[in-house]
Amino acid sequence: QKEVEQDPGPLSVPEGAIVSLNCTYSNSAFQYFMWYRQYSRKGPELLMYTYSSGNKEDGRFTAQVDKSSKYISLFIRDSQPSDSATYLCAMRRDYGQNFVFGPGTRLSVLP
Amino acid sequence: GAVVSQHPSWVICKSGTSVKIECRSLDFQATTMFWYRQFPKQSLMLMATSNEGSKATYEQGVEKDKFLINHASLTLSTLTVTSAHPEDSSFYICSASKQGPSTDTQYFGPGTRLTVL
Repeated sequence: QKEVEQDPGPLSVPEGAIVSLNCTYSNSAFQYFMWYRQYSRKGPELLMYTYSSGNKEDGRFTAQVDKSSKYISLFIRDSQPSDSATYLCAMRRDYGQNFVFGPGTRLSVLP
Repeated sequence: GAVVSQHPSWVICKSGTSVKIECRSLDFQATTMFWYRQFPKQSLMLMATSNEGSKATYEQGVEKDKFLINHASLTLSTLTVTSAHPEDSSFYICSASKQGPSTDTQYFGPGTRLTVL
């Protein structure tokens, strides 16, 4: 079993839809979580950063962490074609440890 | 802000030559930088962790004599692919760790596409 898993997609949704992207993980010690967006042939761009369980909202994006289920989510409201990209989750145990990345989910928002 | 640049953005070279890729943190100091490799439609593969002023820590299976990493200052790390071969063709991405109030966050460069003929 991989340490961090994501459905690779592709996930196709119509413009304006609410998108739910998810990661599951096996290491219960993870407590720092990040979401990145990566456009084709570009470096990943940090979207959200959360610590421990709970929700965090930033504009159209909401990050949710459920440590009891070892499950994190990224919700995108009012999705736009410009949101079409690959979304990577990343997590780590402690400050100073390397982040472990999920394989990414490809999202396509259709106009 | 937290901007990380890479140069060059793409490079084509002949087999057997060496290629140097630069990674710079433009508006912050980064004690730690990371080098990743990414194949098409695959996730990031960590190659090495680079700390300013010390030797890089390579991940298992990464040849340190082939992928030379130098982190000479708090804003610059370089990756040199020595004696490049076609199988080294890939997308190389660096990231830099920025210190925050309670933890640090990784910010990525735009990547360098290497094609070895």
